Amino acid sequence: GAGVSQSPRYKVAKRGQDVALRCDPISGHVSLFWYQQALGQGPEFLTYFQNEAQLDKSGLPSDRFFAERPEGSVSTLKIQRTQQEDSAVYLCASSTNTGELFFGEGSRLTVL
Amino acid sequence: EDQVTQSPEALRLQEGESSSLNCSYTVSGLRGLFWYRQDPGKGPEFLFTLYSAGEEKEKERLKATLTKKESFLHITAPKPEDSATYLCAVQVAQKLVFGQGTRLTINP
Repeated sequence: GAGVSQSPRYKVAKRGQDVALRCDPISGHVSLFWYQQALGQGPEFLTYFQNEAQLDKSGLPSDRFFAERPEGSVSTLKIQRTQQEDSAVYLCASSTNTGELFFGEGSRLTVL
Repeated sequence: EDQVTQSPEALRLQEGESSSLNCSYTVSGLRGLFWYRQDPGKGPEFLFTLYSAGEEKEKERLKATLTKKESFLHITAPKPEDSATYLCAVQVAQKLVFGQGTRLTINP
């Protein structure tokens, strides 16, 4: 596709439910990033993949957060047993390793 | 610790009123400083990358400059369509570390 595609755009979950957010990066981009953006704040780094290898997961806030990119293309961010503090926009970005990131429109998660 | 601080948090200008946004950073070994624009409900959109002190880049009414400690985004004669949140980020290893953004509103 022409840009980074994320789905769903909006997700409402009850506290304790598991959610999965999908990211389809720009074709040919080897690097993929997940960021979390709270209302009125800048994006905060969660994790980074180069092809299928997860090279940095230092930003994942707890072991309830898990990300994968099994074939080096599409990635999924999974949040288990969601809590209210998980409510945020989850942004995916891809890159050709030039440093410049191309972002998707994000998935807005609301946990009730 | 790598840190990015943007000021002001919010700025209201009249159409045509020029101003500057500030981005101060502390990072060990700057690999690049990035400016992004973010509209409500959208992902950040890339504007500029600066790599070394003294470098400048321009795009339409925007000009970004870089010193050893900070970057400025100058907006000349802004229009209402320039209203957005402007994000600054520094590259640390492979990832970008973002500031909290400046919310810019241009009134017609």
